Amino acid sequence: DSGVTQTPKHLITATGQRVTLRCSPRSGDLSVYWYQQSLDQGLQFLIQYYNGEERAKGNILERFSAQQFPDLHSELNLSSLELGDSALYFCASSEGGNRANEKLFFGSGTQLSVL
Amino acid sequence: DAKTTQPPSMDCAEGRAANLPCNHSTISGNEYVYWYRQIHSQGPQYIIHGLKNNETNEMASLIITEDRKSSTLILPHATLRDTAVYYCIVRPDTGRRALTFGSGTRLQVQP
Repeated sequence: DSGVTQTPKHLITATGQRVTLRCSPRSGDLSVYWYQQSLDQGLQFLIQYYNGEERAKGNILERFSAQQFPDLHSELNLSSLELGDSALYFCASSEGGNRANEKLFFGSGTQLSVL
Repeated sequence: DAKTTQPPSMDCAEGRAANLPCNHSTISGNEYVYWYRQIHSQGPQYIIHGLKNNETNEMASLIITEDRKSSTLILPHATLRDTAVYYCIVRPDTGRRALTFGSGTRLQVQP
């Protein structure tokens, strides 16, 4: 158990809909990272938040947004869903977010299926 | 980000050492080498990381060449539960420090 909690574990929805994925980082961790893993793209970094503020952006679509709340949990919002958005979405956390010598701990993921 | 090159797949006999190579010839400065693994569709699991010196923990050993252009992850006594995709990642020490995953090595431990 990494200490990172993601909910829900599975989500099935239809095209055009909007969903919210939730992540609770390990106790004491200030950074949260979101990753997408699809069969053809592998693990892709989406976005990082540090202590409530956006720290880095990766390959995140404009239809996707995220935020980190004062209690440090994070939510990833996916809107106008398309079939191609079906993927595993992972959240990771780290203590700081500003050091290269820092481990990331991953949650068990949310499996999103868009039908 | 420094690019890494890993063989797409490897086999190892149960109980034997698994040696997973990684080439990172463009590594520079204070970039760290990280190893993660992903078992089936579970979340990636941290294994080990290092900068210049060899490192060992309860899971594995990391051997980094003196010029830092390549490294080897060693699982000393592979078990069936070590069957997974292993990712070698070079993490920048400036700018965006999120881990960038490549395609990794699929290690199959054979009974």
